[in-house]
Amino acid sequence: EAQVTQNPRYLITVTGKKLTVTCSQNMNHEYMSWYRQDPGLGLRQIYYSMNVEVTDKGDVPEGYKVSRKEKRNFPLILESPSPNQTSLYFCASSTIMNTEAFFGQGTRLTVV
Amino acid sequence: AQTVTQSQPEMSVQEAETVTLSCTYDTSESDYYLFWYKQPPSRQMILVIRQEAYKQQNATENRFSVNFQKAAKSFSLKISDSQLGDAAMYFCAYRSSTRGNAGNMLTFGGGTRLMVKP
Repeated sequence: EAQVTQNPRYLITVTGKKLTVTCSQNMNHEYMSWYRQDPGLGLRQIYYSMNVEVTDKGDVPEGYKVSRKEKRNFPLILESPSPNQTSLYFCASSTIMNTEAFFGQGTRLTVV
Repeated sequence: AQTVTQSQPEMSVQEAETVTLSCTYDTSESDYYLFWYKQPPSRQMILVIRQEAYKQQNATENRFSVNFQKAAKSFSLKISDSQLGDAAMYFCAYRSSTRGNAGNMLTFGGGTRLMVKP
């Protein structure tokens, strides 16, 4: 089954404690991206990757890092989480110029 | 940069009736894609319908249809014969047809929460 898998689905952490949210897709997609969803703001892009070892900032990259060492994986790293990073996070993938994006199940992150 | 606006934070509809969700967008491009996504309480992002800007015909998927007004930059979603399972957050989204990140990134509106009354 074609899917994008995120882990964990729920995470509560403390300010400053490094964390990683994993994202893996099994569709051999070149393009992967991370979004955060906040009330009234919809989803906003954090980082994206056009292919292995090619990553760049989206609209709200501050406080986040990513890596793309393998085509299927695109982890989101918060090296020093802060409460304003409390949000719902989505990973998405697609082929280049494909009209349909596949989304993961979402990760609800709370930073206290 | 493109922007997408959903002016109705919440809407409600009686079961079996019809409801229309509004979306407007701003772009200088002539070719692009528009989408409606449904997000039920499970948080899954489900593609409901998509529209290519070069197509004049409005897209339809079963009970879901759109009214695409290119000149007015308007893209509303009509849900006919509303069902309890339609209750969800609905997001309108824009995607460019150009190369690079713009051709893959989705720009979302703020969302409309739809409640369905039995």
